[in-house]
Amino acid sequence: SQTIHQWPATLVQPVGSPLSLECTVEGTSNPNLYWYRQAAGRGLQLLFYSVGIGQISSEVPQNLSASRPQDRQFILSSKKLLLSDSGFYLCAWNVGTGISYEQYFGPGTRLTVT
Amino acid sequence: KQEVTQIPAALSVPEGENLVLNCSFTDSAIYNLQWFRQDPGKGLTSLLLIQSSQREQTSGRLNASLDKSSGRSTLYIAASQPGDSATYLCAVSRGNLIFGKGTKLSVKP
Repeated sequence: SQTIHQWPATLVQPVGSPLSLECTVEGTSNPNLYWYRQAAGRGLQLLFYSVGIGQISSEVPQNLSASRPQDRQFILSSKKLLLSDSGFYLCAWNVGTGISYEQYFGPGTRLTVT
Repeated sequence: KQEVTQIPAALSVPEGENLVLNCSFTDSAIYNLQWFRQDPGKGLTSLLLIQSSQREQTSGRLNASLDKSSGRSTLYIAASQPGDSATYLCAVSRGNLIFGKGTKLSVKP
């Protein structure tokens, strides 16, 4: 069966510090991978998605970047955090293209920027 | 631009009641619609996926319907239980998922 891991579970970082959040998927090959942010009152916002190693698409301009160094690993980074980067970060995956996919989510990382 | 709206934003019901959560979307050209459940501080759990060619899907006490032409979906929960308390999110897809802001459900014992 497939599982998705995210770490850390919670993180408190000062403004201006770097960030690295990691997501890994087990039990599947060549997944599509996604990073979302959930902020209070704003719903889920898609930040990045990747259909393969080294392939990253950004949905919104922001202070963050993403990388996919391995097939089942997706990393969210920032060089200098802003207060507005606080939120709940969710990684998700699915397999395939086109219409018939179901998306699965990880447990999330709660980021507080102070 | 696709927009997804969920009404009501919050709902409180007594245990045992049947209830309906609503989801509407502005662009009917979707591939599928997915309902999720989110417990506080947790990730999303997929409940039901309805393809654009389907009218409904059922899983246990949950039934989701889709009327693509009118841009609406409903999630029906039968015989609600306190364990059903959570936020329910719907999302539509034409490639990537577009989410509503959710309905926070509280089932009182």
